[in-house]
Amino acid sequence: RKEVEQDPGPFNVPEGATVAFNCTYSNSASQSFFWYRQDCRKEPKLLMSVYSSGNEDGRFTAQLNRASQYISLLIRDSKLSDSATYLCAVRLDILTGGGNKLTFGTGTQLKVEL
Amino acid sequence: GAVVSQHPSRVICKSGTSVKIECRSLDFQATTMFWYRQFPKQSLMLMATSNEGSKATYEQGVEKDKFLINHASLTLSTLTVTSAHPEDSSFYICSARALLDGYTFGSGTRLTVV
Repeated sequence: RKEVEQDPGPFNVPEGATVAFNCTYSNSASQSFFWYRQDCRKEPKLLMSVYSSGNEDGRFTAQLNRASQYISLLIRDSKLSDSATYLCAVRLDILTGGGNKLTFGTGTQLKVEL
Repeated sequence: GAVVSQHPSRVICKSGTSVKIECRSLDFQATTMFWYRQFPKQSLMLMATSNEGSKATYEQGVEKDKFLINHASLTLSTLTVTSAHPEDSSFYICSARALLDGYTFGSGTRLTVV
């Protein structure tokens, strides 16, 4: 089983739609969670960290479910410019030997259409 | 915010030659640098973690003699792909982490081995 799994998509949605991505992780010792956005042939850019209580940044909402070991990203009122690949990333607790490294999911491709 | 400069952005080399990729942290000291590789439509796969002044830690399946990593200073890490082959063609990205800050990615290097 992969450490971090995502549905690769693509998700084709009309402009203005709400879209949700899920990401599951296998290691219960995971401590930190992130969503990154990656445009074609570019480096990933941090979209938002995911906090235990859930957090929101404008049209983006991230949630964490430790019991089920998944994180989610909700995008409301999607724009054409939201078209990209969304990667979830997980970091283990340093004390369990995970160090500082991030483990990425394969990414979910989003295409927002007119 | 923190910036990591990665060079070159694109390189084409002949099979059997070596290629060096540099990552510099411009306005902070990067105690740890991570090197990732990304094949088309796949996720970022961590190759190795380097800490300034010590040997790099390689992920399982990554040949340390083929992918030489040097992190001689707090602002510079290099990855050298030795004796490159066409199957080494990929997108290589570095990521730096200062002591208390998050992760910053370089802009990536697209390597094509012909």
